Amino acid sequence: DIQMTQSPSSLSASVGDRVTITCRASQSIDNYLNWYQQKTGKAPQLLIYAASSLQSGVPSRFSGSGSGTDFTLTISSLQPEDFATYYCQQSYSTPFTFGPGTKVDIK
Amino acid sequence: EVQLVESGGGLVQPGGSLRLSCAASGFTFSSYSMNWVRQAPGKGLEWVSYISTSSSTIYYADSVRGRFTISRDNAKNSLYLQMNSLRDEDTAVYYCARQVGYYKWFDPWGQGTLVTVSS
Repeated sequence: DIQMTQSPSSLSASVGDRVTITCRASQSIDNYLNWYQQKTGKAPQLLIYAASSLQSGVPSRFSGSGSGTDFTLTISSLQPEDFATYYCQQSYSTPFTFGPGTKVDIK
Repeated sequence: EVQLVESGGGLVQPGGSLRLSCAASGFTFSSYSMNWVRQAPGKGLEWVSYISTSSSTIYYADSVRGRFTISRDNAKNSLYLQMNSLRDEDTAVYYCARQVGYYKWFDPWGQGTLVTVSS
């Protein structure tokens, strides 16, 4: 099985900050990497697919990069509605494993 | 509007059974592979099962293989998860999710249904 790790596990940031979350796969997954945002009590929502493609309707302050084993989610200017938990997921092979999540909260 | 709505969750005793349903609308259900994903209280996301468009290909997580059965009825635009021999550790919110595109991302997700396994 492919293991996914994320760092940091949590971070505190202020509105307007640039935030970077990293995700690493235990083996190469090409660009089969997706990012989801989950707010408390809600279902996850797709932000980025195929490592760097922005889902329709998602603000352009979100961006993704990387290929192979190392990936990054960047929020260029954190907004109040961005405080949430972020998960990466590999869709290269089953089981479609998720990272443990990164909780972004208010500093 | 593309929508997924889960139902069938509830309280069940260890060893019991439950059948979850996911009703799809707003898209051609038969054209998409589907997945179940669960989230234990306060924990992260765990992929549970996958089913292809024609049900010809099915995968399970090791944690549920042999106890859970995924199925679909394309005529009814519905996805199912039959859960048998339930354990305490199966307690979670269960989400259905549509699988999309070459890189197989999940979008959208349903709102989830809570399964609680407890005596």
